[in-house]
Amino acid sequence: EVQLVETGGGLVQPGKSLKLTCATSGFTFSNAWMHWVRQSPEKQLEWVAQIKAKSNNYATYYAESVKGRFTISRDDSKSSVYLQMNSLKEEDTAIYYCTWRVGGFDYWGQGVMVTVSS
Amino acid sequence: DIQMTQAPSSLPASLGDRVTITCRASQDIGNYLRWFQQKPGKSPRLMIYGATNLAAGVPSRFSGSRSGSDYSLTISSLESEDMADYYCLQSKESPYTFGAGTKLELK
Repeated sequence: EVQLVETGGGLVQPGKSLKLTCATSGFTFSNAWMHWVRQSPEKQLEWVAQIKAKSNNYATYYAESVKGRFTISRDDSKSSVYLQMNSLKEEDTAIYYCTWRVGGFDYWGQGVMVTVSS
Repeated sequence: DIQMTQAPSSLPASLGDRVTITCRASQDIGNYLRWFQQKPGKSPRLMIYGATNLAAGVPSRFSGSRSGSDYSLTISSLESEDMADYYCLQSKESPYTFGAGTKLELK
């Protein structure tokens, strides 16, 4: 069974940092292209970042809204993907989901809440 | 960036109705279009992939179609369990973009 479990969310002040972790199981993580997607309190879904596999040189891609502030990374030995979030803004407040899509399947974690507020 | 314009934002309907939600892509995305259903407090669930293919476990009353740059999700006969939010996603190229969502609710 495929599982994705996000941790690391919480309340943080503007300008601070936070690191999210997505621990996975049930599939060959080392071959998987992984994504982070977030959902604002207004319920808008926004793709945040992607990291490809080692065979693709771990290429990374970012939404313009987070470029230069967020970093996606992975540890294949731990079947985990991470999202380092720096210089957080109030508009980064959202539920953050880790996702994996392959062919006709799309797997999402349960999500983790990040609240940026003073 | 590819923009996905989704309509309507809200869709009041009755049980048994045939309903259609549409997304229009601002650039060619081929068939790289997915539809998701989301219920309160839950993660999005894949309903349609490749614009027209039913995802595993999805009831056959759901279908997807394409006409040019317009992509549609149709529910042939609405059931109470279908009341949810629906989103389209273009997965052709980064940055991947979602539609703004459609809230399907009972009339």
